[in-house]
Amino acid sequence: GEDVEQSLFLSVREGDSSVINCTYTDSSSTYLYWYKQEPGAGLQLLTYIFSNMDMKQDQRLTVLLNKKDKHLSLRIADTQTGDSAIYFCAERSGNNRLAFGKGNQVVVIP
Amino acid sequence: DVKVTQSSRYLVKRTGEKVFLECVQDMDHENMFWYRQDPGLGLRLIYFSYDVKMKEKGDIPEGYSVSREKKERFSLILESASTNQTSMYLCASSYGNSGNTGELFFGEGSRLTVL
Repeated sequence: GEDVEQSLFLSVREGDSSVINCTYTDSSSTYLYWYKQEPGAGLQLLTYIFSNMDMKQDQRLTVLLNKKDKHLSLRIADTQTGDSAIYFCAERSGNNRLAFGKGNQVVVIP
Repeated sequence: DVKVTQSSRYLVKRTGEKVFLECVQDMDHENMFWYRQDPGLGLRLIYFSYDVKMKEKGDIPEGYSVSREKKERFSLILESASTNQTSMYLCASSYGNSGNTGELFFGEGSRLTVL
C-alpha cells in the first residue's frame, strides 16, 4: 500500500525560507498535495502538483517533485507567523483515496 | 463556499457507550471519508464511501462502523467506545469524477475523549 514519510518538526525565523520534505512510495500516484492544518482546525489544501510536472510555483509557495526518488518538497518563501501550522503531504492513487504523511509541525519564530 | 460540517467539536464519553459522529457536506460530493488523527501518527483512514449506501474499509476499521443513508451525510459509529479511541476525528469529502484533482475538503474535526 501507499506509505508517505515526513519529518516531524521544523522551526524557522520570520522572513526566512522554510522547506518541508516528504517521500512517498506509490509510483503510480497521479496527484500529490500539501495540506495545512492550523491549531484547532481541519486540513485545508495549500497546493497540489500533477505527477507529470517537476515544479509548481504559487506566490510564496514552490513545490518540487522528483519522481525518480519519489520525493516531494514544499518551500515557503518569506515565512510569516501565520505560516505556523502542521503541514501534511499526501498522495493520490488510482482508487481516489489519499494517503497522508504524519505531518510536519512548523513553528515560526518572530 | 464549500462546507463540511461535523456536528460535535468536542465530546466526552464513557467506556462502553455508543458514540455517533455526524458529518454533512453541501457540495453534492460522491465521496466521503472518516479519518482519525493522532500525534506522531498523522491521518489514518477508518472508512470511506463512494456513494449512498456504499462503504469500504480503510486502514483501521476495527471498532468502528459507518452509515451513508443520504448522499450528504456520513456517520461514524463507535458501538462500544474504548479509551484507545480517544482521538481527533476528521471527516472529508471529494468529487467522484476521477478526472478531477481529487482534492479533499475537510471538516473542523471532532475531538473525542473516552474516559
